[in-house]
Amino acid sequence: QVHLEQSGAEVKKPGSSVKVSCKASGDTFSSYSISWVRQAPGQGLEWMGRIIPMSRTTKHAQNFHDRVTITADRSTNTVYMELNSLKSEDRGVYYCARSQDGYSFDYWGQGTLVTVSS
Amino acid sequence: QSALTQPASVSGTLGQSITISCTGTTIDIDDSYYVSWFQQHPDRAPKLLIYDVINRPPGISYRFSGSKSGNTASLTISGLQTEDEAIYFCGSYTDDSPVFGGGTQLTVL
Repeated sequence: QVHLEQSGAEVKKPGSSVKVSCKASGDTFSSYSISWVRQAPGQGLEWMGRIIPMSRTTKHAQNFHDRVTITADRSTNTVYMELNSLKSEDRGVYYCARSQDGYSFDYWGQGTLVTVSS
Repeated sequence: QSALTQPASVSGTLGQSITISCTGTTIDIDDSYYVSWFQQHPDRAPKLLIYDVINRPPGISYRFSGSKSGNTASLTISGLQTEDEAIYFCGSYTDDSPVFGGGTQLTVL
């Protein structure tokens, strides 16, 4: 059974950066990918980008291309998502999710609430 | 603006069947088998119900079924139960990127 454990809630100031972690257990990094999905308060799901930990290959969504960095540490089975130049509209819950085919996410982390406030 | 359009809300009574639609606007569902459905309860992570249009992951009830016709995919929930009250999102895949619908709130009366 795969389990994705995310880091805790963050409160950040506008213009700063946030780094969220996602640690996988119950399975080693194989050929699947880990994506990050954002959900603004009361809103839908927005895909931010993904990494294939085995190859460290990444792809980012157009909306986040220049602000998001996704990395993987295979020694600890942990994936990180860093979002820069935070704005108030970046407030929301950030989820990591596993996929074996790139789009159907079968395991999700519990979510990390990021608040951006001055 | 989502690439996939869903109704904002649907409702049904206990034991009834309901269907939630998902129409491709900027992507072509008609030529794709990349359709997924997720269920999300309040303050919980989404849960995969359906992938590749019709397939259920292990542990997902047979009451959830998926289908597709032309550029519209559908999720049918049969024998509605109170725990089915949640938000449902459809998903697809275009230009090597996942996309989601805006979500449909299901109310069980």
